[in-house]
Amino acid sequence: QVTLRESGPALVKPTQTLTLTCSFSGFSLITTGMSVSWIRQPPGKALEWLALINWDDDKYYSTSLKTRLTISKDTSKDQVVLTMTNMDPVDTATYYCARSNFYDSIGQPFVYFDYWGQGTLVAVSS
Amino acid sequence: DIQMTQSPSSLSASVGDRVTITCRASQGISNYLAWYQQKPGKVPKVLIYGASTLQSGVPSRFSGSGSGTDFTLTISGLQPEDVATYYCQKYNSAPWTFGQGTKVEIK
Repeated sequence: QVTLRESGPALVKPTQTLTLTCSFSGFSLITTGMSVSWIRQPPGKALEWLALINWDDDKYYSTSLKTRLTISKDTSKDQVVLTMTNMDPVDTATYYCARSNFYDSIGQPFVYFDYWGQGTLVAVSS
Repeated sequence: DIQMTQSPSSLSASVGDRVTITCRASQGISNYLAWYQQKPGKVPKVLIYGASTLQSGVPSRFSGSGSGTDFTLTISGLQPEDVATYYCQKYNSAPWTFGQGTKVEIK
């Protein structure tokens, strides 16, 4: 069964760098076509996709946040790590990791999120 | 980047009503659209992908339609357990953008 779990600090100070880890089981990021994304949701607001890494180590970032984000994977540990630099109070949100296939059986785009972690709330405050 | 716009932002309907939520893409995305349901305090759950394909285990009162730029999510016979915020998400290419959400309440 597929599970994902986010971990990281609950509180960071403005200008600090946030590092979040997604630990997963039930699938592998060495499997062709597999990918993991980070998605966030400020309190009472909409979902915002942040970054994706796939089995081939291709990385994709939100256009508005790409200068601050780095996504990486450790396939030996079944983990995906997201770092976000220069944190600001507006970055206060629940951060989710989620699994997707990168393409379907005929090679068409297929990045919708079928399994999600429970999310971790990160507050940015001095 | 392609923008995803949902309407309405919120609605209130009676149990048993037919509810329709619209999602519009700023450019054509073929049928590469998913719908999610997020109940209060819970994790989002995918309902529909490919604009109209029901994810396994999702009740048949949920249906999706559309292609190109205009899409709809329909709940045929609203139930109390359908109180949630619904999001569309495009996946034709990166970035994989969500709509701003539609909150559904019971009247």
